[in-house]
Amino acid sequence: DAKTTQPTSMDCAEGRAANLPCNHSTISGNEYVYWYRQIHSQGPQYIIHGLKNNETNEMASLIITEDRKSSTLILPHATLRDTAVYYCIVRVAGGSARQLTFGSGTQLTVLP
Amino acid sequence: DAGITQSPRHKVTETGTPVTLRCHQTENHRYMYWYRQDPGHGLRLIHYSYGVKDTDKGEVSDGYSVSRSKTEDFLLTLESATSSQTSVYFCATKAGGNTDTQYFGPGTRLTVL
Repeated sequence: DAKTTQPTSMDCAEGRAANLPCNHSTISGNEYVYWYRQIHSQGPQYIIHGLKNNETNEMASLIITEDRKSSTLILPHATLRDTAVYYCIVRVAGGSARQLTFGSGTQLTVLP
Repeated sequence: DAGITQSPRHKVTETGTPVTLRCHQTENHRYMYWYRQDPGHGLRLIHYSYGVKDTDKGEVSDGYSVSRSKTEDFLLTLESATSSQTSVYFCATKAGGNTDTQYFGPGTRLTVL
């Protein structure tokens, strides 16, 4: 799995968009970008994933650069409940049983 | 997500006592996983299952065993609990096919005195 780099921490005002960057310069053509988050004392939660096209679901949007070397997770209207550690993971999709490997992630704090 | 429940949610036990944690899912997912999470170590895989009665070891399997007699249930057993097994345990599931999304349960906080 390609290595990812994320800022250690970020703050965002409540109601504003939270933009979380991730660098993955060594990503290969068949690797997807996945985002998970972990709210304190809860299990990790899947947010979104994509290959090369931008993706949007009810939780967030994922913007992947054309060269696929970086991506941004966007929470359009952050709330206090979005305070969590956000993990960007790059891996090949498939049916194997490989474990997920979480890096250090970005601690997002949404401020009132 | 994926209808995953874990029981118990909290447990305090003594060294040398056997402990069994249960993970139950309602989505008929093929793969199931047990992770532990400790400060400074992130999530580490203990054991996983790729079908009924099909299990394999993860990176920190010593002192743990698992069983999966039904698709929906994955049991983690500590045969003789030690203080180093004090941790938060998460179960996760993944559907088969061309997907790599894992869904996690709420966790079990285990304290071994």
